[in-house]
Amino acid sequence: GENVEQHPSTLSVQEGDSAVIKCTYSDSASNYFPWYKQELGKRPQLIIDIRSNVGEKKDQRIAVTLNKTAKHFSLHITETQPEDSAVYFCAATLFGNEKLTFGTGTRLTIIP
Amino acid sequence: GAVVSQHPSWVICKSGTSVKIECRSLDFQATTMFWYRQFPKQSLMLMATSNEGSKATYEQGVEKDKFLINHASLTLSTLTVTSAHPEDSSFYICSATGPWQETQYFGPGTRLLVL
Repeated sequence: GENVEQHPSTLSVQEGDSAVIKCTYSDSASNYFPWYKQELGKRPQLIIDIRSNVGEKKDQRIAVTLNKTAKHFSLHITETQPEDSAVYFCAATLFGNEKLTFGTGTRLTIIP
Repeated sequence: GAVVSQHPSWVICKSGTSVKIECRSLDFQATTMFWYRQFPKQSLMLMATSNEGSKATYEQGVEKDKFLINHASLTLSTLTVTSAHPEDSSFYICSATGPWQETQYFGPGTRLLVL
């Protein structure tokens, strides 16, 4: 089955700086990669996703890059703000399979 | 769109009792619903996948007789924790996918505390 590794487990960034979270996956057949943000005690919320037919996707301050050859994908947050503080999870799946395999999560703290 | 609700949001029960958690898709028909368990500071652990009208598929190590899942309609799935024990205390989250298949939308979660 699929295995997703996520690094780092914790990340502290000065407000205004950029944050990068990286994930690797094991199953080369996986073709859908969402990122979720989870604030303490709340539900995970989809913030961006990417399919394997593109290498990069951007939505305002958030971007995701995908390297299919190396089987890794990354989340980039620019101009970080205090409200970006949360736990971020990457995930991978094969389209049509539906079952997501999650990474272990990254606790991001933005330092004012 | 794509709103998933969950009820109750928290529950405290005595050891040995059963607890039912409901998961509803409010504005779409959920072809598949998922049940996760999350311990503090840990990732989401998939417990089971359920499709409307069919038996749930449980992940390895999850006791199907302890965690009963019913998916009676395209908008409702229930998880019943039977004979709950303190080690069952956790944050239970459901998610649902619609006709677009791949994107999962999560419910707000149910925090269960078994005394």
